[in-house]
Amino acid sequence: DQQVKQNSPSLSVQEGRISILNCDYTNSMFDYFLWYKKYPAEGPTFLISISSIKDKNEDGRFTVFLNKSAKHLSLHIVPSQPGDSAVYFCAAREEGAQKLVFGQGTRLTINP
Amino acid sequence: EPEVTQTPSHQVTQMGQEVILRCVPISNHLYFYWYRQILGQKVEFLVSFYNNEISEKSEIFDDQFSVERPDGSNFTLKIRSTKLEDSAMYFCASRLLMGTEAFFGQGTRLTVV
Repeated sequence: DQQVKQNSPSLSVQEGRISILNCDYTNSMFDYFLWYKKYPAEGPTFLISISSIKDKNEDGRFTVFLNKSAKHLSLHIVPSQPGDSAVYFCAAREEGAQKLVFGQGTRLTINP
Repeated sequence: EPEVTQTPSHQVTQMGQEVILRCVPISNHLYFYWYRQILGQKVEFLVSFYNNEISEKSEIFDDQFSVERPDGSNFTLKIRSTKLEDSAMYFCASRLLMGTEAFFGQGTRLTVV
């Protein structure tokens, strides 16, 4: 049951350039989407979220875009920094539900 | 900055033994969660807890699992008779009543041998 998919297991980007992480979903009942970052041996850290009534949310270097018709969201990080190297998880929640459904994660590596 | 804390960081147990994983959620949060991540797999929801009762649980959360808030600060996950396949990272999380994002602890690595 892969309701949330991150099709790229890894991504390598040069420092200072834009990192774009993608996420697709199949469940049209999802109304809230989140991005988490995870370093080894740590728990997921909340980064940014977006409600299904919006198509863009920005917080500093991080911007999340939502395309509901395509059931696709993306996280843009610009400019990318070495400290951004981590695994990024997309997660989604159905309206009225408690649980978050996570994607498999994308390992982002920022090269100097 | 307030954070969710989990103890122990690593627990090794023999198959069939009971384990209790402990969590201290952020103090003004009212929703509590347990998730797990088996090595190489997705983070999976186990259970949510609100107002001293389970509000939602997954198929994984069978009779071998239970949760408890024994006092005003701790939130525990008990696995009654551990199996090899219970080996995973277990994450506790909490969120505000009106919040949407959950804040995660650093995890407990459970190894069943």
